[in-house]
Amino acid sequence: DTEVTQTPKHLVMGMTNKKSLKCEQHMGHRAMYWYKQKAKKPPELMFVYSYEKLSINESVPSRFSPECPNSSLLNLHLHALQPEDSALYLCASSQLVTSGSGGELFFGEGSRLTVL
Amino acid sequence: AQSVTQPDIHITVSEGASLELRCNYSYGATPYLFWYVQSPGQGLQLLLKYFSGDTLVQGIKGFEAEFKRSQSSFNLRKPSVHWSDAAEYFCAVGARGSYIPTFGRGTSLIVHP
Repeated sequence: DTEVTQTPKHLVMGMTNKKSLKCEQHMGHRAMYWYKQKAKKPPELMFVYSYEKLSINESVPSRFSPECPNSSLLNLHLHALQPEDSALYLCASSQLVTSGSGGELFFGEGSRLTVL
Repeated sequence: AQSVTQPDIHITVSEGASLELRCNYSYGATPYLFWYVQSPGQGLQLLLKYFSGDTLVQGIKGFEAEFKRSQSSFNLRKPSVHWSDAAEYFCAVGARGSYIPTFGRGTSLIVHP
């Protein structure tokens, strides 16, 4: 199983709503990532979890709150978002780097978020 | 810190023609190198990767890439492009000991029938 599954595929929310994006992988990867991607741009790293602990937060506004309940699941809680937060949110996972391998990311298909 | 440059924003080719997408990186040692493809509305899919060893790397969908240390390049090639190859292509570089790659800005491939 080499899939990263993201739900929902599409989400429309108002600026006062609270919603969550979910991500699941069963590849035994111990690093999980959230990326934000605007149209025609590369993915921008938001958060990285390593062994279920937050290891990187790229100065993301607090209206985005990540959570890693276990080694297979990653959530992104959304609250009081702005229209400029509309984007494709990508989850990814990877093995942690060893001497001879690692670093390649496995991406989900993304959650398309629209903030009205 | 590492960086990666994809000098071409758009590349247009005819179906059946050969393809080369350029990628140059900056890093003080031998990096990890990746090419990803993203079809519209989809996530990124790994095409191929280079960690060490043979500098010519074969990937999925008939793609290959060659690591050239002297030119700090990792160009992606395909001998005959299919219409389904139209997509966004991202080169990425990772530092040894890190699992966070740096992405290039992407090259949009347009395939004419």
